[in-house]
Amino acid sequence: SQQGEEDPQALSIQEGENATMNCSYKTSINNLQWYRQNSGRGLVHLILIRSNEREKHSGRLRVTLDTSKKSSSLLITASRAADTASYFCATDPYSGAGSYQLTFGKGTKLSVIP
Amino acid sequence: DGGITQSPKYLFRKEGQNVTLSCEQNLNHDAMYWYRQDPGQGLRLIYYSQIVNDFQKGDIAEGYSVSREKKESFPLTVTSAQKNPTAFYLCASNNGSRVGRFFGPGTRLTVL
Repeated sequence: SQQGEEDPQALSIQEGENATMNCSYKTSINNLQWYRQNSGRGLVHLILIRSNEREKHSGRLRVTLDTSKKSSSLLITASRAADTASYFCATDPYSGAGSYQLTFGKGTKLSVIP
Repeated sequence: DGGITQSPKYLFRKEGQNVTLSCEQNLNHDAMYWYRQDPGQGLRLIYYSQIVNDFQKGDIAEGYSVSREKKESFPLTVTSAQKNPTAFYLCASNNGSRVGRFFGPGTRLTVL
């Protein structure tokens, strides 16, 4: 099954800096989703971007999608220590009959240093 | 407050035992999911259920079983046939196939 792959695997930045994470995938998608996971906890849904959208914003988060390159990026602006977490992209494959098979990448581990 | 609860938070199992992980949601969601997460890995789908009394195998269903007798509940049984069950197990739910998932806090299962 297709899988999103995040890059980099780990990222360490100073508080106040911007953090950019990338996700690449292999086949056509209906939508792409980003999730956050704090250590030892469940995942939290951040943003869903559909295949016909190019950019979405939510607070300090900005997600872009380039379907021609099969890639997406998540930008966190003005990072805070509380943003320290792992971030996962998940791809919802294109299919005519709706899909419940969301496929997750291995994640980017973000550390924000106070 | 609406949400998903999983219990227990930590579970220890001896070799050869079956164990059942609980997942309950009060979000009135039709669809529920079970994922397995290993260290440094993404989530892998074990089973999912689109509606009560129906469920489908995911990518790694071998050694696991589920039931969906009530809309609110989707318990996962890890059987003795699962050769390497030590992992973090996450339950999720949503309404529809094209929307984000709500996740529970997870159960960490360790085989002794």
